[in-house]
Amino acid sequence: SAVISQKPSRDICQRGTSLTIQCQVDSQVTMMFWYRQQPGQSLTLIATANQGSEATYESGFVIDKFPISRPNLTFSTLTVSNMSPEDSSIYLCSVERLRSGTGELFFGEGSRLTVL
Amino acid sequence: QKEVEQNSGPLSVPEGAIASLNCTYSDRGSQSFFWYRQYSGKSPELIMSIYSNGDKEDGRFTAQLNKASQYVSLLIRDSQPSDSATYLCAVKYVDSWGKLQFGAGTQVVVTP
Repeated sequence: SAVISQKPSRDICQRGTSLTIQCQVDSQVTMMFWYRQQPGQSLTLIATANQGSEATYESGFVIDKFPISRPNLTFSTLTVSNMSPEDSSIYLCSVERLRSGTGELFFGEGSRLTVL
Repeated sequence: QKEVEQNSGPLSVPEGAIASLNCTYSDRGSQSFFWYRQYSGKSPELIMSIYSNGDKEDGRFTAQLNKASQYVSLLIRDSQPSDSATYLCAVKYVDSWGKLQFGAGTQVVVTP
């Protein structure tokens, strides 16, 4: 499985500010996926990041709130903009098992954001 | 609305016993099924995947899939305290690249 590194691992943020989360994969991957896990909840897909094209957002998530960059095949960023306490969550970067087509996803360690 | 349902628990299991976790899903177009383990404060870890009807065994874990009844289960044999975690069922639909629909998870507590 790929090694997925996320930064920051955790942060405490003020309402109204923005934070960018970085995700680095040790292998080239076509798609990278950003998930959110709100406190006590399960995982929800925010968007799919493809290199060289606009990210594809799931229902309920918009680019203005969660802009995503994918400058190359090993790196992506997710920005949480104009944060409110409701954005306090764990944000997880994930990739599919390399060249498998199995749908098996592997996750980074996550970025735990607390918005005050 | 595609849904994945799990009992939230907690499921209390004596050490050495079998833990049985169930998951049902709503969409018959589902093609792939996964069990993830998530320790408190950690990210989910894939422990089992199953794609066809029947049983699949991996060490102490057995996944069971019944597409006709739309359920998938996970058995943990000889449960250990280290198995105490939340177990997430996830379902992949046809042509849904990277999108897994997750259940809310079942918390398992293995008591010595």
